[in-house]
Amino acid sequence: DTAVSQTPKYLVTQMGNDKSIKCEQNLGHDTMYWYKQDSKKFLKIMFSYNNKELIINETVPNRFSPKSPDKAHLNLHINSLELGDSAVYFCASSQGQGEGSPLHFGNGTRLTVT
Amino acid sequence: GQNIDQPTEMTATEGAIVQINCTYQTSGFNGLFWYQQHAGEAPTFLSYNVLDGLEEKGRFSSFLSRSKGYSYLLLKELQMKDSASYLCAVMDSNYQLIWGAGTKLIIKP
Repeated sequence: DTAVSQTPKYLVTQMGNDKSIKCEQNLGHDTMYWYKQDSKKFLKIMFSYNNKELIINETVPNRFSPKSPDKAHLNLHINSLELGDSAVYFCASSQGQGEGSPLHFGNGTRLTVT
Repeated sequence: GQNIDQPTEMTATEGAIVQINCTYQTSGFNGLFWYQQHAGEAPTFLSYNVLDGLEEKGRFSSFLSRSKGYSYLLLKELQMKDSASYLCAVMDSNYQLIWGAGTKLIIKP
């Protein structure tokens, strides 16, 4: 199946731990993203990569570090997890960065920090 | 600042028609997207408007007026499976997407 897949689907961990979320797309898209959706359902862009190069880095704590080994993968590593990091994290991809390129989202990773 | 406004929640009856409005104030405009998001799932793309007018796609249509900073999503012949959140997103002059908080649509039998 052609899709954006991210793992794990659920992640429950304690404050202070370090965790990673993996994302892969087989759509042949050039651009990949990480979004955070909080309890109020706002989607906030965190990072965007185009052909492995970082193009958007919003005001995100430096505890969050994206890594793109190739244009089909964009992983997210989070250090020293805090309670406020609890949210759903979505990976997405698009063919380009310009107008008319819809985002294709992964199924999300629900992160709960206790 | 940049802002997208949509109603928080709407209720409609199965078989009816519902219109979900979205108004925006952004730095430039490079198109407006509508996405559907079922509870616990990922958003999925519904429509894209960059020119004024109505785009029809089956039971769903999307309208745009750039001069008014306004769009709506029209859903006809509502089905129970249309119960979801509908997200409006505008691409600004830097090709960054600005998202609304979404409108939760509840369909009643």
